[in-house]
Amino acid sequence: GAVVSQHPSWVICKSGTSVKIECRSLDFQATTMFWYRQFPKQSLMLMATSNEGSKATYEQGVEKDKFLINHASLTLSTLTVTSAHPEDSSFYICSANSGRALYEQYFGPGTRLTVT
Amino acid sequence: AQSVTQLDSHVSVSEGTPVLLRCNYSSSYSPSLFWYVQHPNKGLQLLLKYTSAATLVKGINGFEAEFKKSETSFHLTKPSAHMSDAAEYFCVVSDQRTGTASKLTFGTGTRLQVTL
Repeated sequence: GAVVSQHPSWVICKSGTSVKIECRSLDFQATTMFWYRQFPKQSLMLMATSNEGSKATYEQGVEKDKFLINHASLTLSTLTVTSAHPEDSSFYICSANSGRALYEQYFGPGTRLTVT
Repeated sequence: AQSVTQLDSHVSVSEGTPVLLRCNYSSSYSPSLFWYVQHPNKGLQLLLKYTSAATLVKGINGFEAEFKKSETSFHLTKPSAHMSDAAEYFCVVSDQRTGTASKLTFGTGTRLQVTL
């Protein structure tokens, strides 16, 4: 149980275009979802926290107009990278919390974004 | 505020020898502590977690960790390394709070290399 999926697993896009990444909790309802980015050989950095039906809370230094997060249902959150640039190339990982234990997060497999 | 420090960015051991990956934490609240493993191009897998119960925590694949409050440490150990243990390991801290899902703070990671 507690499976989180991401789609796509990898995507290549041209500079200036937008890319949408989906995060789904497959067998539980996620009251809270988190979005992280990971640069090569580096740690995960939290970008934002999203609660179903409300606006996402972004970490300091993360541009909310560039990284649009929508958490429209208890099983789906989306991250849209708008007007992508090569420096946005990274590994994006989502996680989900079911609400049973506040510390518990189930991670998706990640999405590798390459902007050319 | 919470933080974790992984003292070694890279550890190399021979197959069959013990593994020690060091982690120190800082937290304003009673922390939950985790170790995650990330194999190349794979998602994060939870190895074990401490959530204020027994201080010696056993995880999957023969790994264990001991929570030492006096030393603010949560080192990961395994008696005998296997080639399949080669991966990136992250020590993670979460403040235990009520109300909403807790944020996770990741350490910078330790790359474990296992040689024949």
